[in-house]
Amino acid sequence: RKEVEQDPGPFNVPEGATVAFNCTYSNSASQSFFWYRQDCRKEPKLLMSVYSSGNEDGRFTAQLNRASQYISLLIRDSKLSDSATYLCVVNPVFANFNKFYFGSGTKLNVKP
Amino acid sequence: ETGVTQTPRHLVMGMTNKKSLKCEQHLGHNAMYWYKQSAKKPLELMFVYSLEERVENNSVPSRFSPECPNSSHLFLHLHTLQPEDSALYLCASSQGQGVLQYFGPGTRLTVL
Repeated sequence: RKEVEQDPGPFNVPEGATVAFNCTYSNSASQSFFWYRQDCRKEPKLLMSVYSSGNEDGRFTAQLNRASQYISLLIRDSKLSDSATYLCVVNPVFANFNKFYFGSGTKLNVKP
Repeated sequence: ETGVTQTPRHLVMGMTNKKSLKCEQHLGHNAMYWYKQSAKKPLELMFVYSLEERVENNSVPSRFSPECPNSSHLFLHLHTLQPEDSALYLCASSQGQGVLQYFGPGTRLTVL
């Protein structure tokens, strides 16, 4: 079983739509969670961390469900510039370095 | 952004060549990472250096040889690669536990 699983998409949505992605993880001891965004042929960049209580940053809301071992990302009022691949990242245990497990990514296409 | 830089950005090499990828971080971090990203696959962690010591070698073939001369620099030496090694090679750095990894722009490698 993969450490982190995501629906690859693509999700094709019109501008202004609300779209949500889920990501499941296999290690129940996982400690920290992130969403990264990766534009075509570019490096991944942090979008937001995911906290146990859920967190919001503008149009983006991230939530964690430990019981079901998934995290979610909700994007409201989608913009054309939101088109990218969204990577779910899980850090299973604390160590003296970060061992991140990346999902394969969910591709989002926002269309005019 | 110039936090993590990588050179070259693009590299084409034959199977008998020897080349090196370079990564430099200007963030004062104490851990550096090499990842491989192939098309439609999740990022694969290759090597981790923490405080200049290799702490992770994720079953990477010996034709990839990392070197970390100091906390700011990381190299990946390549020799006798195979066409299936063609991918985007990403360097990242981080500081501390359970925190973010910052990525460089990557080197897109093509092995002929």
